[in-house]
Amino acid sequence: AQSVTQLDSHVSVSEGTPVLLRCNYSSSYSPSLFWYVQHPNKGLQLLLKYTSAATLVKGINGFEAEFKKSETSFHLTKPSAHMSDAAEYFCVVSGLNQGGKLIFGQGTELSVKP
Amino acid sequence: DADVTQTPRNRITKTGKRIMLECSQTKGHDRMYWYRQDPGLGLRLIYYSFDVKDINKGEISDGYSVSRQAQAKFSLSLESAIPNQTALYFCATSDLGAGNSYEQYFGPGTRLTVT
Repeated sequence: AQSVTQLDSHVSVSEGTPVLLRCNYSSSYSPSLFWYVQHPNKGLQLLLKYTSAATLVKGINGFEAEFKKSETSFHLTKPSAHMSDAAEYFCVVSGLNQGGKLIFGQGTELSVKP
Repeated sequence: DADVTQTPRNRITKTGKRIMLECSQTKGHDRMYWYRQDPGLGLRLIYYSFDVKDINKGEISDGYSVSRQAQAKFSLSLESAIPNQTALYFCATSDLGAGNSYEQYFGPGTRLTVT
């Protein structure tokens, strides 16, 4: 079975400081991993995805994530937070035999203080 | 125009009423999905369809039904709405992408309130 755990339900940072959103996954197969972002009253937008190519994945808006198989982690980072980054972020896993079904983490709400 | 559209965007209904949420897509994808989002629970899969003749239950299908009218249309019905079905509902589509990944594309959501 596959699962994903987001280790923080809420993260607060100051504008201009680094962002770290933590995600651990469990998968019996080679997983595909995604980070989605949801701004208030909006749908979900794909930030980045890992699909067994490079372990360091770059996404939109300066975000990146590193796949670490030994730690079963896929943490999302950004060097410098911007006010517009305030949103909810979801770590998501999908397996090769899952036919496209995604398993979502519980979400991490990111607040950015001026 | 948006690739994945949902109607209505907001709906308030009473307990026991039947309600249908509709989803349309212009991406040409075969696979479509319905999720519900509740605070602190992420998104949970209700039903999914791999093509017009292939419909499958997700993890929380009780109390819901779906209809895949065409490749581009996938509707979710609540036959007799109850208050704990109050949630934000998302439709999504996908196709096989690079590296065997099924990146999903989401609609804007329907906020449903059952009183």
